[in-house]
Amino acid sequence: QQQVKQSPQSLIVQKGGISIINCAYENTAFDYFPWYQQFPGKGPALLIAIRPDVSEKKEGRFTISFNKSAKQFSLHIMDSQPGDSATYFCAATSNAGKSTFGDGTTLTVKP
Amino acid sequence: NAGVTQTPKFRILKIGQSMTLQCTQDMNHNYMYWYRQDPGMGLKLIYYSVGAGITDKGEVPNGYNVSRSTTEDFPLRLELAAPSQTSVYFCASSQPGLAIYNEQFFGPGTRLTVL
Repeated sequence: QQQVKQSPQSLIVQKGGISIINCAYENTAFDYFPWYQQFPGKGPALLIAIRPDVSEKKEGRFTISFNKSAKQFSLHIMDSQPGDSATYFCAATSNAGKSTFGDGTTLTVKP
Repeated sequence: NAGVTQTPKFRILKIGQSMTLQCTQDMNHNYMYWYRQDPGMGLKLIYYSVGAGITDKGEVPNGYNVSRSTTEDFPLRLELAAPSQTSVYFCASSQPGLAIYNEQFFGPGTRLTVL
């Protein structure tokens, strides 16, 4: 039973464009909603995260939008750059420390 | 701090062989995890541990075993390797209550091929 569904599986964006990745979760017993970024040959690393009592979180060019009633959240990358090309995972994390991950989105930003 | 380290980086096994994937963290985190990452399938939790001497199964534990004798180390054992265990394995650690978002810190991964 997949508790976090992520889309799209892959995404190609032109340099300077906006990249949008969406996630939906089923279980309401999650306390944090992080996004991880993974470059080829590396482990995932935390990019940005949000708590469910906040509707939006912005850090530089990266923004999380969170809709608690719809159980959906999304990552927006403004002014996408070739260096943003990576795989992005959304996750839902409980206070107990366990995370459930989406299947990942491979982002390619074309110069 | 080295963070989370994993050895080996790459390994090829024959069907039926066994091996241990090593994971060490130097952040004094109580929680440690093992994931496998298959192409297009995200990260699946194999086993996790909330402290030395305590381990529990995740989503996909069959064919694997773990132990946690110290806070720092969390080895993953594969017995009777099968082609279905070909994957990239990631170890991670966290300290719930310390980081704002219960962030997990990942190692660089071990790429395992079973032929």
